Amino acid sequence: GAVVSQHPSWVICKSGTSVKIECRSLDFQATTMFWYRQFPKQSLMLMATSNEGSKATYEQGVEKDKFLINHASLTLSTLTVTSAHPEDSSFYICSASETAYEQYFGPGTRLTVT
Amino acid sequence: GQQLNQSPQSMFIQEGEDVSMNCTSSSIFNTWLWYKQDPGEGPVLLIALYKAGELTSNGRLTAQFGITRKDSFLNISASIPSDVGIYFCAGQAVGDAGKSTFGDGTTLTVKP
Repeated sequence: GAVVSQHPSWVICKSGTSVKIECRSLDFQATTMFWYRQFPKQSLMLMATSNEGSKATYEQGVEKDKFLINHASLTLSTLTVTSAHPEDSSFYICSASETAYEQYFGPGTRLTVT
Repeated sequence: GQQLNQSPQSMFIQEGEDVSMNCTSSSIFNTWLWYKQDPGEGPVLLIALYKAGELTSNGRLTAQFGITRKDSFLNISASIPSDVGIYFCAGQAVGDAGKSTFGDGTTLTVKP
């Protein structure tokens, strides 16, 4: 149980284009989903928290117009990186929580912007 | 905001040895979580702790929620090569709506 999927697992895009990453909870309903960014050999950096049907709450320093988050249903959240630039290249990981205690992570999406 | 200090930063051990790592916080948490991350993958939840003093095992892994609620440790007994990876602690404070603060991770290398 508690399986979270992410799609795509990796993506290469050109500078200036937008990329959408999907996060799905496959066998439970996620009241809350979280989006993280991780640089090589570093810890997870929380970008935003999203609850189904409401606007995401962004962490300080994260541009909400740059990283658009939509939590359309209890099993799906999407992160869109708009007008991507090379500095946006990173490993993006989502997590989903049903109980507000344990978070279950997706396998991550490797974004490379050329 | 809350900060977690996780130590050691890295460990190189021989297969069969026991391992211990810990996290300390400047503030009180009401939940401690331990995760393992393999390269290129998302973290996997190993153990969740909800009460001060709680000691929980998952196979060869044992974790404890410190009495002061400001620390937690994870022990791995009889390490094997597949234990290699990065271990993260995470804490949740009251009123944080499920948000976790993560430690910087402990990178474990196991030599056969």
